[in-house]
Amino acid sequence: EMQLVESGGGFVQPGRSLRLSCRGSGFSFGDYAMSWFRQAPGKGLEWVGFIRSKAEGGTTEFAASVKARFTISRDDSKSVAHLQMNSLETEDTAVYYCVVGGTYVRPVYWGQGTLVTVSS
Amino acid sequence: DIVMTQSPDSLAVSLGERATINCKSSQSVLYRSNNKNYLAWYQQKPGQAPKLLIYWASTREYGVPDRFSGSGSGTDFTLTISSLQAEDVAVYYCQQFHTTPCSFGQGTKVEIK
Repeated sequence: EMQLVESGGGFVQPGRSLRLSCRGSGFSFGDYAMSWFRQAPGKGLEWVGFIRSKAEGGTTEFAASVKARFTISRDDSKSVAHLQMNSLETEDTAVYYCVVGGTYVRPVYWGQGTLVTVSS
Repeated sequence: DIVMTQSPDSLAVSLGERATINCKSSQSVLYRSNNKNYLAWYQQKPGQAPKLLIYWASTREYGVPDRFSGSGSGTDFTLTISSLQAEDVAVYYCQQFHTTPCSFGQGTKVEIK
């Protein structure tokens, strides 16, 4: 059974950094692009960025609102993807979801999400 | 950027009746090379992650009841719940994954009349 577990969320002050992790199981993690989405409290869904599979080059793309502040990496040997968030702003407060596929390819599976709260 | 616009923002439907949600994209999300519409539909209940219902605009995800169906092509899409059940009360989103930044509609809240 396909599973995704996000971790690393929490409370952080503006300007600080946080790294989220997304661990997959039940599927061949390295074969898939991995996307990150977020949802601010009471708001709609927003695409954050994604990383291609190594076979597709392993490159990344990001939303304009996070570009240059966020990076995504992957360690296929551990079936994990990371979202590194730097220079966090209060507007980054949201539940962050990792998704198998979801960008340029069909979404396959969503994780349950991890809450990030940016506040002083 | 592709803007996704859903209508209506909310609707109330009697149990057993049909619910129809529309989604319009500002640009076509159809890839001519494979004739696929890069459009997905999700259901989200409070406190839960979005649940994938439909992808490629009309392919039902495994395990999704057949009362859910998707249709449309290019820029205009529809999600239909043929016979609304109490457990279908939720917010529904369309998403295009054709072009980055991927984008969602604003959501449609479905309630029981």
